[in-house]
Amino acid sequence: GAGVSQSPSNKVTEKGKDVELRCDPISGHTALYWYRQRLGQGLEFLIYFQGNSAPDKSGLPSDRFSAERTGESVSTLTIQRTQQEDSAVYLCASSPQSGDSDTQYFGPGTRLTVL
Amino acid sequence: GDSVTQMEGPVTLSEEAFLTINCTYTATGYPSLFWYVQYPGEGLQLLLKATKADDKGSNKGFEATYRKETTSFHLEKGSVQVSDSAVYFCALSSSGGSYIPTFGRGTSLIVHP
Repeated sequence: GAGVSQSPSNKVTEKGKDVELRCDPISGHTALYWYRQRLGQGLEFLIYFQGNSAPDKSGLPSDRFSAERTGESVSTLTIQRTQQEDSAVYLCASSPQSGDSDTQYFGPGTRLTVL
Repeated sequence: GDSVTQMEGPVTLSEEAFLTINCTYTATGYPSLFWYVQYPGEGLQLLLKATKADDKGSNKGFEATYRKETTSFHLEKGSVQVSDSAVYFCALSSSGGSYIPTFGRGTSLIVHP
């Protein structure tokens, strides 16, 4: 079946502009995660959605970052007034509610470059 | 809190060499343990997992055994190939209630022909 998809695959923007990144999870997966991966670094947790529960936003680095998810489908991560330190690959992952619920299925990522 | 420590890279090997990438963890309860692999330009994908002590996860010639007594989950492969060149991430998913997994910093593997 279809995996997790993310768009755009690459985004170049100017400092101060807003950007929106999109994630389409695997159909039926109730959990959705956003991570940031800076060049040569590990994964930095940003936000977690589980079904219709309130999201866990504990990893968002500043109030310039926000994310939404419509039900159990698409999620968008918005970064306002982008800064050069926001340049990174943004990864989305989803997990099913039962069975393999502790395994993450990752998308290919969106590479964001802030000039 | 939970943490995962894995060996610094890069690890550079010749083709057909034996691979070990060390991973140790700290967690409450009885976590599930994972190795994910990230090929250049791609997202992470699950390589193998183990959910309880003494379990061995295996896939594509890679193995890792869940060692509770040493809190370790070292990744091994008997004979690496150039196509194994990638970044490998050790991770855990705690049984203590948090649904947010903890990842190590990743270890880059470079295999030369």
